[in-house]
Amino acid sequence: AQSVTQLGSHVSVSEGALVLLRCNYSSSVPPYLFWYVQYPNQGLQLLLKYTSAATLVKGINGFEAEFKKSETSFHLTKPSAHMRDAAEYFCAVSDRQNAGNMLTFGGGTRLMVKP
Amino acid sequence: NAGVTQTPKFRVLKTGQSMTLLCAQDMNHEYMYWYRQDPGMGLRLIHYSVGEGTTAKGEVPDGYNVSRLKKQNFLLGLESAAPSQTSVYFCASTRQGANYGYTFGSGTRLTVV
Repeated sequence: AQSVTQLGSHVSVSEGALVLLRCNYSSSVPPYLFWYVQYPNQGLQLLLKYTSAATLVKGINGFEAEFKKSETSFHLTKPSAHMRDAAEYFCAVSDRQNAGNMLTFGGGTRLMVKP
Repeated sequence: NAGVTQTPKFRVLKTGQSMTLLCAQDMNHEYMYWYRQDPGMGLRLIHYSVGEGTTAKGEVPDGYNVSRLKKQNFLLGLESAAPSQTSVYFCASTRQGANYGYTFGSGTRLTVV
């Protein structure tokens, strides 16, 4: 079964600093990978996804993620944090042969942005 | 364009009571899902459906039942609520094909006392 590990349940950065949120997956075959963002009292919104095209994926709000097969990682980055980026971020994985399109989610990382 | 709509948004139940959460989507998506979100545990799949009239169990199905009588609706039922079912419940939908992301509803916060 797939599993996803997000290192660090809480990450704090200063406004303008680099954001790095870590995600590692377990799979012998490269899966589809997703990052979602959840703002307070809202549902999850898709930030970006990796589906086997370019390994560097650009998403909304200036975020990007790089798929590294050798490290089984899909870390999320943003060069300069804004206050509005404060939210919870979830990494998720889906098997390519997954008949039900089911996603397995990591435990989430809460990003705090200090002024 | 409403997307995925969940009702109700909040509910407090007493132990042993029953209730139904409704999820409706207007995107003609084939697949629909119910997840629960608990602190530090991410989202865990309760049940899912790959089409009208079909349902299947996810990771944590015990204590829940579902029905998909119409393509656009996916109902989650709690027959006898327990405090362990206190959680935030999210419905999601997607097109067929594992490379599409989900569209999520805004959630239902359920407290069982």
